[in-house]
Amino acid sequence: DIQMTQSPSSLSASVGDRVTITCRASQSIPNYLNWYQQKPGKAPRLLIYAASFLQSGVPSRFSGSGSGTDFTLSISNLQLEDFATYYCQQSYGTPLTFGGGTKVEIK
Amino acid sequence: QGQLEQSGAEVKKPGASVKVSCKASAYTFSNYNLHWVRQAPGQGLEWMGKINPSVGNATYAQRFQGRVTMTRDTSTSTVYMELSSLRSEDTAFYYCAREEIYYVSGSYWVFWGQGTLITVSS
Repeated sequence: DIQMTQSPSSLSASVGDRVTITCRASQSIPNYLNWYQQKPGKAPRLLIYAASFLQSGVPSRFSGSGSGTDFTLSISNLQLEDFATYYCQQSYGTPLTFGGGTKVEIK
Repeated sequence: QGQLEQSGAEVKKPGASVKVSCKASAYTFSNYNLHWVRQAPGQGLEWMGKINPSVGNATYAQRFQGRVTMTRDTSTSTVYMELSSLRSEDTAFYYCAREEIYYVSGSYWVFWGQGTLITVSS
């Protein structure tokens, strides 16, 4: 199975900050990497697919980069509605696997 | 577009089985694979498997092999996920999600069901 390791597991930030979350795959997954946002009691929401493509309707302050084994999700100018948990997920091989999540909290 | 509507919460005893439904609407049912993802309370996301509604074949995560069965009913545009031999660790929200494809083999999920809470307790 492809292991996905996210860091940090949690972070505190203020509105207006820039936040970076990293995700590392246990083997190369070219760019088969997606990012999701999840709020309590809700289904995950797709933010980024294929490592760097912004899903329609997602604000441009979200961006993704990386390829191979190392990936990054960045949120610039953090807004109140961005406080949530973020997950990376690989679709290169089955079983499809997720990172452990990064909880972004208000400082 | 697309919509996925799941069945309601259930409480089951250890050793029992549960069958969760996911009804699709607003798109052509047979054109998109449907996946199941679960999330224990306060925990991360775990992929369980997927089903091709067109032909009915399913692929399961190894850790659920032998305990999970995914089926579909094309007449009602509904997929089902049945999990047997339930234990307390199966207490979780269960989500269905519609697969979108890119680069031939890559996939992601835009449309999700609302989630179904299955509680396993004696």
